[in-house]
Amino acid sequence: DVQMTQSPSNLAASPGESVSINCKASKSISKYLAWYQQKPGKANKLLIYSGSTLQSGTPSRFSGSGSGTDFTLTIRNLEPEDFGLYYCQQHNEYPPTFGSGTKLEIK
Amino acid sequence: EVQLVESGGGLVQPGRSLKLSCVASGFTFSNYGMNWIRQAPGKGLEWVAYISSGSSYIYYAETVKGRFTISRDNAKNTLYLQMTSLRSEDTALYYCARTLFNYPRVMDAWGQGASVTVS
Repeated sequence: DVQMTQSPSNLAASPGESVSINCKASKSISKYLAWYQQKPGKANKLLIYSGSTLQSGTPSRFSGSGSGTDFTLTIRNLEPEDFGLYYCQQHNEYPPTFGSGTKLEIK
Repeated sequence: EVQLVESGGGLVQPGRSLKLSCVASGFTFSNYGMNWIRQAPGKGLEWVAYISSGSSYIYYAETVKGRFTISRDNAKNTLYLQMTSLRSEDTALYYCARTLFNYPRVMDAWGQGASVTVS
């Protein structure tokens, strides 16, 4: 299985700031990486797939980059609703595997 | 609005069985592949199983292969997960998730989850 290593585990930032979350695959997954947001009491939300394609409804302040084994989720101009847990997931092969998550908190 | 509502969770003894259901609405269920994904308490997400729109293709995580069975009834807009020989490590919140069209391993809609406790 492809192991996904996500960093950092925790991140604190203020509204208006920019943050980056990294995800590293144990082998090349081409461009096939997705990012999800998880918040208490809400359904998990797909933000980005295929590395950089924004899912319908994802605000443009979110962007994804990378290919091969190294990927980054960048959130610019943080809004209060952006705080929560973020997971990366490779969708290159079965089984789909997730990173361990990054908790984005308000500073 | 796309909605996925899981049910059937609960407390079950090790070795016993449980069947989860997920009722879909707001989209043409029969056109989409579906998944079960779980999350143990305080842990990350783990993909469990996938079934294609017409049930022709089914895949399982190695951790559940031979014990869990994914199925669907397109006439009832319902996805199922039959879980047998349950273990304590199967304790988790089980999410039903729709596959993004043409991207079989991307989940674009999720339910709120059904809690399963094996103890």
